[in-house]
Amino acid sequence: NAGVTQTPKFRILKIGQSMTLQCTQDMNHNYMYWYRQDPGMGLKLIYYSVGAGITDKGEVPNGYNVSRSTTEDFPLRLELAAPSQTSVYFCASRTVPRTYEQYFGPGTRLTVT
Amino acid sequence: GENVEQHPSTLSVQEGDSAVIKCTYSDSASNYFPWYKQELGKGPQLIIDIRSNVGEKKDQRIAVTLNKTAKHFSLHITETQPEDSAVYFCAAYPGGNTPLVFGKGTRLSVIA
Repeated sequence: NAGVTQTPKFRILKIGQSMTLQCTQDMNHNYMYWYRQDPGMGLKLIYYSVGAGITDKGEVPNGYNVSRSTTEDFPLRLELAAPSQTSVYFCASRTVPRTYEQYFGPGTRLTVT
Repeated sequence: GENVEQHPSTLSVQEGDSAVIKCTYSDSASNYFPWYKQELGKGPQLIIDIRSNVGEKKDQRIAVTLNKTAKHFSLHITETQPEDSAVYFCAAYPGGNTPLVFGKGTRLSVIA
């Protein structure tokens, strides 16, 4: 298993541009999450999904959108990028209730200038 | 909702000494408590976890203890090594569809 994979690894955006951060997991996990981590800070939940077709807002959803059309994929869309969205973005997945372990991807480092 | 407090925010220890990181939680319904290690430039990695029906769990040099009455749990690292230097996060799971609630992290530095 590759686990949780994220693309791209790095990206520089200009203010006002849009992009999609890709996240794929091959563990057949039903739950998937998007977090952002600002320098020296903790993890903030942006959006999550408990299954295909179901998404819900986390702590900091403004400026982002998600979709979950398959079990494997959970893309995060940034519309009209702003400097405040400069951060490292982590995708994660877990399976509940069989086990509770949550696995993170390697992250996407995004800079908006 | 659940709230997780983590202390200290930074911790420096000499190589070979022990390190202890403590977390408290607020929701008595929480039943699963994982610990994650995040090395520089990487995603958090699960290192140990404990369920609410267990008081202590050990895996080589790391151990986690849980006190359900007091609503706190701790990570213990013995015989620390430089490669233990990282940011550590605790979390609590309130159950159902609720996401994990994370503490703010502890930056551990092991000084050789």
